[in-house]
Amino acid sequence: GAGVSQSPRYKVAKRGQDVALRCDPISGHVSLFWYQQALGQGPEFLTYFQNEAQLDKSGLPSDRFFAERPEGSVSTLKIQRTQQEDSAVYLCASSLGQRETNEQFFGPGTRLTVL
Amino acid sequence: AQTVTQSQPEMSVQEAETVTLSCTYDTSESDYYLFWYKQPPSRQMILVIRQEAYKQQNATENRFSVNFQKAAKSFSLKISDSQLGDAAMYFCAYMGQGGSEKLVFGKGMKLTVNP
Repeated sequence: GAGVSQSPRYKVAKRGQDVALRCDPISGHVSLFWYQQALGQGPEFLTYFQNEAQLDKSGLPSDRFFAERPEGSVSTLKIQRTQQEDSAVYLCASSLGQRETNEQFFGPGTRLTVL
Repeated sequence: AQTVTQSQPEMSVQEAETVTLSCTYDTSESDYYLFWYKQPPSRQMILVIRQEAYKQQNATENRFSVNFQKAAKSFSLKISDSQLGDAAMYFCAYMGQGGSEKLVFGKGMKLTVNP
């Protein structure tokens, strides 16, 4: 596709359920980012991949959050035992991975609601 | 840690007028990148303009320009000839020179354009 895609677009989970959010980056983009955007706030960094390597996971809020990108393309963000404070829009972004051209292209996001 | 502050949560402008959005940031780094991103109601974030800190010349993209004051750590966005399509949330963001390519965002500002 032409841009970053994410699925599902909306997810409702009961507290305690596990969820998996998918991101398809732009073909050929080396870097992939996950951000969490709470209502009325700016996005906050969660984690970053360069190809299949997870280079920075300093933003993951707890060990319930796990991300992977096993083949250096599609990425999955998994949240175990969801809690109400996990309700947010989860944004994925990709870039060429070169600082000289470091524009991040964002997907439409997955809105997660935990009841 | 780097922080980005957008002190005005909302602004409005008349169509065809000019508006300036303010942003300040805090960092101990000497080289970095600054961005303005736009997030329309559909929620897909798109890049408006980008500035490298080592460049003294302010970036310009058509109707969008920045006033970058490195010593004051200020990075404001000027939108000239405002159009209805400019209505959106605007986020100021920072990327450091070394390490992770993650973006640090401000809380955002909602711009309304009145016809």
